[in-house]
Amino acid sequence: DVKVTQSSRYLVKRTGEKVFLECVQDMDHENMFWYRQDPGLGLRLIYFSYDVKMKEKGDIPEGYSVSREKKERFSLILESASTNQTSMYLCASSPERGRTQYFGPGTRLTVL
Amino acid sequence: QKEVEQDPGPLSVPEGAIVSLNCTYSNSAFQYFMWYRQYSRKGPELLMYTYSSGNKEDGRFTAQVDKSSKYISLFIRDSQPSDSATYLCAMGGGEYGNKLVFGAGTILRVKS
Repeated sequence: DVKVTQSSRYLVKRTGEKVFLECVQDMDHENMFWYRQDPGLGLRLIYFSYDVKMKEKGDIPEGYSVSREKKERFSLILESASTNQTSMYLCASSPERGRTQYFGPGTRLTVL
Repeated sequence: QKEVEQDPGPLSVPEGAIVSLNCTYSNSAFQYFMWYRQYSRKGPELLMYTYSSGNKEDGRFTAQVDKSSKYISLFIRDSQPSDSATYLCAMGGGEYGNKLVFGAGTILRVKS
């Protein structure tokens, strides 16, 4: 079974803090994705990576950056957290030519 | 207009009912279609994957794709309280490469 893990289930941070969310997958997948999920807005793609050190902006990259130094690990960075970044953050991975994405359990981030 | 439209519900049914969940889409380039199930405060899990048009059955679940009408459905037979969740449709292909476009999700409640 594909396993995608995320570093924290729940996180509370203060406005202006730098926040790191980590995601690890154990299936040697080339593609990894970060989404945020908000009520009424569904899943929105923040960034995705199709190879080590490669990244591409999604639909809502503002205020976020990413890092992929190793194939299995994809990090999402909030440079200066703001209250409007309070959300559920979901990481996913998929194989190079595969279309199905496999999701982690999510991190519920609250920014105060 | 959103590329993928999905009624948010909630849809409330009695245990044992047949449930029909639907999505419509506008981009004729979509070639593969998925349904995900998401329990409260968890990540989405892949339920069904279909390539192009046709039906696919897995136990109590049937996925149906009608590309001519740009309409996909998920049927759940003999629904159980454990089926209570949010169901997300997702699709991809064409210019989207390895990315997916998600519906906003339908909340399903099965009452015992």
